[in-house]
Amino acid sequence: DIQLTQSPSFLSASVGDRVTITCRASQGISRYLAWYQQKPGNAPKLLIYIASTLQSGVPPRFSGSGSGTEFTLTISSLQPEDFATYYCQYLNDYPVTFGQGTRLEIK
Amino acid sequence: VQLVESGGGLVQPGGSLRLSCAVSGFTFSDHHMDWVRQAPGKGLEWVARSRNSGNSHITHYAASVTGRFTISRDYSDSSLYLQMNSLKTEDTAVYYCARDLSGGHAFDIWGQGTKVIVSS
Repeated sequence: DIQLTQSPSFLSASVGDRVTITCRASQGISRYLAWYQQKPGNAPKLLIYIASTLQSGVPPRFSGSGSGTEFTLTISSLQPEDFATYYCQYLNDYPVTFGQGTRLEIK
Repeated sequence: VQLVESGGGLVQPGGSLRLSCAVSGFTFSDHHMDWVRQAPGKGLEWVARSRNSGNSHITHYAASVTGRFTISRDYSDSSLYLQMNSLKTEDTAVYYCARDLSGGHAFDIWGQGTKVIVSS
């Protein structure tokens, strides 16, 4: 099974900051990585798929990069609505796996 | 495009429950469909997949639910189901149904979730 490890698990930042979250896979997964945002009480929302493709309707301040075993999600300038928990996901084989999550909080 | 889950509730350990996910706004048969759960205060855990009609509705399960849970779909009422048997306290979670983004290797549409509590 593919294991996904996110870092950091917790991140404190300010509005306007640039932040980067990393997701490392236990073995190479090409570019089959997605990123989700989840706010308390809500379902996850797809942000990025195939490592760097922005989902329709997602603001361009979100970007993804990487391939193989190391991937990043970058938010170029944090907005108040971006404070949430972020998950990476691998979906090209079974079991489908998620990272443990990165909680992004306001400093 | 919408997914609406129902069927959650309180059940005793060893009991059964069937979750439903009503699908609307897209061609149900074209998409793989999944169940994902989230235990209280925890992260996301994939549970099961029903592949699309082009893939003969082949099913896949997480190891933690294999042999206890069954995913299925009914085109007559445009619904995805998750039959859960031999429930354990560790199955307590919010259960989401999700649509696979064809060719995108991701879940692009999620339901609002239904809460399952397994407790005596």
